[in-house]
Amino acid sequence: DGGITQSPKYLFRKEGQNVTLSCEQNLNHDAMYWYRQDPGQGLRLIYYSQIVNDFQKGDIAEGYSVSREKKESFPLTVTSAQKNPTAFYLCASSRDRGSEKLFFGSGTQLSVL
Amino acid sequence: EDQVTQSPEALRLQEGESSSLNCSYTVSGLRGLFWYRQDPGKGPEFLFTLYSAGEEKEKERLKATLTKKESFLHITAPKPEDSATYLCAVQVGNTNAGKSTFGDGTTLTVKP
Repeated sequence: DGGITQSPKYLFRKEGQNVTLSCEQNLNHDAMYWYRQDPGQGLRLIYYSQIVNDFQKGDIAEGYSVSREKKESFPLTVTSAQKNPTAFYLCASSRDRGSEKLFFGSGTQLSVL
Repeated sequence: EDQVTQSPEALRLQEGESSSLNCSYTVSGLRGLFWYRQDPGKGPEFLFTLYSAGEEKEKERLKATLTKKESFLHITAPKPEDSATYLCAVQVGNTNAGKSTFGDGTTLTVKP
């Protein structure tokens, strides 16, 4: 079945540590996105990529980094510079830049030890 | 600045008790308004897209409507399996779909 796979489901970060969240899609979608969701709040855009080897900052990019070396993969690194990383992280994709329908992964819950 | 406000924050219904969720928006140049359903600990699932005032879409017990300032998600005779958080999002102008502005959601609980 086509879809988006995020891993791990749960992740714990120690102070000063960088951690990487995985996102893989087999929908052959061009565009991919990373969002952060805090309890009781909507989704806030961290980074997005419309094509391989290209990505743009979203509204809350500070303390995060991404890469897009393959169409299928869009990993997110939460760096030690992100002082409040505890949140639910969602990866999404869409067919192309203009497509309105977003497909989401099942999310990664990141917590700080 | 584009704003999307959902109300109420939480809604508790008895099974079979119909109601509506509201999504009001203040944007320049609406391209589309989307409704998503999110179950606890899961990613959102697409429900509807509405493009212009007066448009309506239905799916099972759900019906979404759109005016120039707000959208309603009507739930008719809800069942416990309709319990979830419902998110609306607004896409503006020529912006990328993923840059839509999301509301904070309405958490619906349907009691048997």
